[in-house]
Amino acid sequence: DVKVTQSSRYLVKRTGEKVFLECVQDMDHENMFWYRQDPGLGLRLIYFSYDVKMKEKGDIPEGYSVSREKKERFSLILESASTNQTSMYLCASSLLGPDTQYFGPGTRLTVL
Amino acid sequence: SQQGEEDPQALSIQEGENATMNCSYKTSINNLQWYRQNSGRGLVHLILIRSNEREKHSGRLRVTLDTSKKSSSLLITASRAADTASYFCATDDSGYSTLTFGKGTMLLVSP
Repeated sequence: DVKVTQSSRYLVKRTGEKVFLECVQDMDHENMFWYRQDPGLGLRLIYFSYDVKMKEKGDIPEGYSVSREKKERFSLILESASTNQTSMYLCASSLLGPDTQYFGPGTRLTVL
Repeated sequence: SQQGEEDPQALSIQEGENATMNCSYKTSINNLQWYRQNSGRGLVHLILIRSNEREKHSGRLRVTLDTSKKSSSLLITASRAADTASYFCATDDSGYSTLTFGKGTMLLVSP
């Protein structure tokens, strides 16, 4: 069975802290994605990766970076967390880019 | 990037009734997908319909696609309380490896 896991379900951080959100998939998928979800705004794509060490900016990359050192793992990094980054963060993977995406359970991040 | 827009934003029905949600989009697509999200959880893929298909069924789900009107509908028949969730349509962006999600329809099914 397909599985995407995220390192934390809930996370509370302080303004200015460096934050790492980890995502792991066990399906040998090429593509991985990071979204944030906010009320009234839906899902917005932050970054995606179509191969190891490759990354592409999504619609809202500002304030974020990513790392993909291994095929199964895609990390989202908030270099200096700010309160406007309080959100639900969702990771997904797919075999092909526009194909079915499999989502993790999400990390609800609160930045104080 | 284009975005699918779901309609209505919220829908409240009784168990046993049918629920219909609509999605409109702006430019040409290769496929359109529907996802479901239970409160506070990740999204789960429901069904994918390709641009050369007009209708697709999966269990109690029926999806239609009208590419001339750039719209799709998701019908859930004989709804159950467990169908309570948000439903999103997603379209592929021609030439890119990504999906663009709409803002979703919140469905509440009361026992």
